[in-house]
Amino acid sequence: DTGVSQDPRHKITKRGQNVTFRCDPISEHNRLYWYRQTLGQGPEFLTYFQNEAQLEKSRLLSNRFSAERPKGSFSTLEIQRTEQGDSAMYLCASRQLYRGEGTQYFGPGTRLLVL
Amino acid sequence: TQLLEQSPQFLSIQEGENLTVYCNSSSVFSSLQWYRQEPGEGPVLLVTVVTGGEVKKLKRLTFQFGDARKDSSLHITAAQTGDTGLYLCAGAGQGAQKLVFGQGTRLTINP
Repeated sequence: DTGVSQDPRHKITKRGQNVTFRCDPISEHNRLYWYRQTLGQGPEFLTYFQNEAQLEKSRLLSNRFSAERPKGSFSTLEIQRTEQGDSAMYLCASRQLYRGEGTQYFGPGTRLLVL
Repeated sequence: TQLLEQSPQFLSIQEGENLTVYCNSSSVFSSLQWYRQEPGEGPVLLVTVVTGGEVKKLKRLTFQFGDARKDSSLHITAAQTGDTGLYLCAGAGQGAQKLVFGQGTRLTINP
């Protein structure tokens, strides 16, 4: 257990439905990252927050995706009008800003299957 | 765009053998991390290397960061069946330090 939790662990939905995932980072970590991992590939960066500010979004994050971190603690990732291509493992990671080594600690992930 | 090439992608060896996994890039990273991932779980950190030429040991695992901070290797001595898993290298850039991952090495250690 890294101290980063994600909920739910698994989600099956029908195409066109909206889904929301939650990430609770390690409590003193002020940076929070979202990644997506498809089968047989390494994780790919989606977006990150420093406290409550969303500072960067990948071009992978289409306008159907939105992420928030309203109080600088937990974060949510919402996918609207899901498509089969959204099926993947969604990973959250956190790190302490002032630790220069850049180590990120990952949660267990949310596996999404869009039917 | 920073890319990390990891090799080999698949490796199947007998228990007791040694192996090396490579992670190469044309980009310089401020740090590089190695993770191990089990099916259906998130990556679990093994080590972070920061300084060019740095070598870190974790029991039978030896990690090296290249002098120019563009490449890294993971060497396992006397592999055990419990070493089976997906090994991922990930480089952190400057600033946001978002991680760029290699595609992973799926390691199978046969008894």
